[in-house]
Amino acid sequence: NAGVTQTPKFRVLKTGQSMTLLCAQDMNHEYMYWYRQDPGMGLRLIHYSVGEGTTAKGEVPDGYNVSRLKKQNFLLGLESAAPSQTSVYFCASSYSILRDRVNYNEQFFGPGTRLTVL
Amino acid sequence: KQEVTQIPAALSVPEGENLVLNCSFTDSAIYNLQWFRQDPGKGLTSLLLIQSSQREQTSGRLNASLDKSSGRSTLYIAASQPGDSATYLCAPAMEYGNKLVFGAGTILRVKS
Repeated sequence: NAGVTQTPKFRVLKTGQSMTLLCAQDMNHEYMYWYRQDPGMGLRLIHYSVGEGTTAKGEVPDGYNVSRLKKQNFLLGLESAAPSQTSVYFCASSYSILRDRVNYNEQFFGPGTRLTVL
Repeated sequence: KQEVTQIPAALSVPEGENLVLNCSFTDSAIYNLQWFRQDPGKGLTSLLLIQSSQREQTSGRLNASLDKSSGRSTLYIAASQPGDSATYLCAPAMEYGNKLVFGAGTILRVKS
């Protein structure tokens, strides 16, 4: 199993350009997530999805859109890139198992995409 | 709003030492808590997951404890090795486990 993969690994954009980051997982997980990591701030949740065709906002959703057309893929779009979106973007996926009224949910992360917006 | 603090921010120890990394969080209504390891320029590797009803979890030389009521978790690393050098991140999960809130991490360096 490849686990969680992300495309591309690196990208440089000019302000105002658009792009889509692709996340794919082969673990048949229901849940998928996009985070950004900035120096000294830890990871912050951008958007997430609890199943095919569903998406929800996280902590820092502004300037990003997402789509989950297939269970194994979660796309993150930047319509008009800004320098403030320079960051490392991580995708994650997780299973969710309810057992004895306890929700077991462990997230697995991809290798990241380093994005620079000039 | 959940806030997560990890202390110390950086730690340098000689090989073989036992060490403790601390994580504190402000909202005790968590579903679980994960500890991750991140190597420079790499993604996150899940080390341990503690459910909110559990007090501790062990994996090899790693032991994580959770005191949910006081908003604290610790990661204990026994007999540290140079290969343990990495950033360690703590992340309590909110909202049925869907929302991880990360601390800024502890940068660990184990000297040989």
